[in-house]
Amino acid sequence: DVVMTQSPLSLPVTLGQPASISCRSSQSLVKTNGNTYLNWYQQRPGQSPRRLIYKVSNRDSGVPDRFSGSGSGTDFTLKISRVEADDVGVYYCMQGTHGPGTFGQGTKLEIK
Amino acid sequence: QLQLQESGPALVQPSETLSLTCSVSGGSITSGSYFWGWVRQSPGTGLEWIGSIHSSGNTHYNPSLKSRVTISRDTSKNQFSLNLASAADTAIYYCVRDSGSWDVDFWGQGTLVTVSS
Repeated sequence: DVVMTQSPLSLPVTLGQPASISCRSSQSLVKTNGNTYLNWYQQRPGQSPRRLIYKVSNRDSGVPDRFSGSGSGTDFTLKISRVEADDVGVYYCMQGTHGPGTFGQGTKLEIK
Repeated sequence: QLQLQESGPALVQPSETLSLTCSVSGGSITSGSYFWGWVRQSPGTGLEWIGSIHSSGNTHYNPSLKSRVTISRDTSKNQFSLNLASAADTAIYYCVRDSGSWDVDFWGQGTLVTVSS
């Protein structure tokens, strides 16, 4: 299986400041069809995960434009331009290029 | 609005079969080109794909669990189910919609299943 490695695992951030989470895969996530199946999910305390970003950089409906995804190949990043209190939770990357899909360990974002 | 709701026992005896059902509303499990599947979450192993069933009825499973997993569906009830044999796996089980390439775009609220005697 493809191993997804996130860093940092814990991310204390001051309100209004930016945040960045890195995700690296053990092999390239570019599929033969040219698409890269790398998603980002947010899991707020006590809730199910929610998809924020799909195929590297596409925001889901209703996701604030403070969230952005970037990257290629094996290196990907989720950025939050200005952290709000509502952003507290755990963030996961997930690859779907190579079956079965696999998730990163999660990055816990908290407010300083 | 699509909604997925898990149901089933909260406690399972070790080595017994874990059985869960997902009821889908706001969409049909036989329409479109979606997969309907199961993902579990535990402190030890994190988030893990179990497998899914396509709107056509084809299934695909995580190879690490394939020998113990069966995913089936009841189209008349718009439900799909998970059977996981030889339960040893305490976790929160989520039913999900997969829009292709293991891409989860909708999650149920999840159900905690504890394996214990």
